Amino acid sequence: SQQGEEDPQALSIQEGENATMNCSYKTSINNLQWYRQNSGRGLVHLILIRSNEREKHSGRLRVTLDTSKKSSSLLITASRAADTASYFCATDKAYNTDKLIFGTGTRLQVFP
Amino acid sequence: GAVVSQHPSWVICKSGTSVKIECRSLDFQATTMFWYRQFPKQSLMLMATSNEGSKATYEQGVEKDKFLINHASLTLSTLTVTSAHPEDSSFYICSASSGRRDTQYFGPGTRLTVL
Repeated sequence: SQQGEEDPQALSIQEGENATMNCSYKTSINNLQWYRQNSGRGLVHLILIRSNEREKHSGRLRVTLDTSKKSSSLLITASRAADTASYFCATDKAYNTDKLIFGTGTRLQVFP
Repeated sequence: GAVVSQHPSWVICKSGTSVKIECRSLDFQATTMFWYRQFPKQSLMLMATSNEGSKATYEQGVEKDKFLINHASLTLSTLTVTSAHPEDSSFYICSASSGRRDTQYFGPGTRLTVL
């Protein structure tokens, strides 16, 4: 399977704590993206990081990318109950940038 | 921001019937639309890619005669699940891209239940 893997599969934390999710992928990429999915809903685009970037920030989100290890991490700082959702990384392929391959996802539960 | 809608949001049908799901880009022209399937607590799996005015490209293992995709305009793509069976029950999500190849905008999904 070309699907990427994420860990942990599930993560439970208290409000105010930081949450870190990791994503590993298998092929050379142009971009890596992170999406959030609330239960039974569509995906919300969070952040895109290009293969020549190592770190990117957006509000309480921090994404890192290590192309040598084919891995990325998503850090959510000062988590809130509203951050409860599933988080997916998605990569394109270096030679076919239209298609996205999604990771297995991390289910985050933030307790108030 | 770019908005993609899907209709219906949920549908229940009897085994053997066909179901059509619509995906619309509301405020941009989508040269490419994608259809995904997601089983409970699993990730999204790409089923097919469609470009406006041309035949869809299906992923390996996806039956093109069972999952008919039409992308007749720059704002509408349809997925028809023909002769649906209980194993086709799933969450179907579409996404649309304006061709910039950077961001896909996702619809809210359609939950299909086949009895």
